[in-house]
Amino acid sequence: GESVGLHLPTLSVQEGDNSIINCAYSNSASDYFIWYKQESGKGPQFIIDIRSNMDKRQGQRVTVLLNKTVKHLSLQIAATQPGDSAVYFCAEHPGGFKTIFGAGTRLFVKA
Amino acid sequence: EADIYQTPRYLVIGTGKKITLECSQTMGHDKMYWYQQDPGMELHLIHYSYGVNSTEKGDLSSESTVSRIRTEHFPLTLESARPSHTSQYLCASSDQGDYYGYTFGSGTRLTVV
Repeated sequence: GESVGLHLPTLSVQEGDNSIINCAYSNSASDYFIWYKQESGKGPQFIIDIRSNMDKRQGQRVTVLLNKTVKHLSLQIAATQPGDSAVYFCAEHPGGFKTIFGAGTRLFVKA
Repeated sequence: EADIYQTPRYLVIGTGKKITLECSQTMGHDKMYWYQQDPGMELHLIHYSYGVNSTEKGDLSSESTVSRIRTEHFPLTLESARPSHTSQYLCASSDQGDYYGYTFGSGTRLTVV
């Protein structure tokens, strides 16, 4: 069935290092991908998105890479800060009303 | 500052009670959604709406119902709460078109005892 999965359930990084969170998606028809950040006690918050006609998109300290050949999505966070500690979800949009969310990766930032 | 509001934030209720979880947004979004999420786990779509008087069931079988009488308001009702309904319920909205992310509320954490 359709799924968006994350390779690692948890990721621990040192403050100041770069973080890379990976995501695999299964639906070749998906043409829009989004990364969300969810802090404890809050709803997911939109971070960055990318459409399938692109392979890279940069935001402030974040970069999303899309590899359609292997159906892989990654989120890179530069100079990770304690405030980046959260659960990160990737989501794919295969069309229509559907947005499929993955299980999430919990990022821990060590001071 | 939140543009989508959910109330209550926390609710503990007895089995068999009827409850309504409120969700309102001020962005004028036509699309609204209800998701169920266990802590740290993936989100499961239980209801969605494309606009006023439009509601559909999502992927996750749910004993809840929704209504969309006004664009800004999308309440979710459980007619008879059960312990299996214990979870976090997240409301979201998005703009028209296929290439917009969602704005989520802070969620309602429901415990049925």
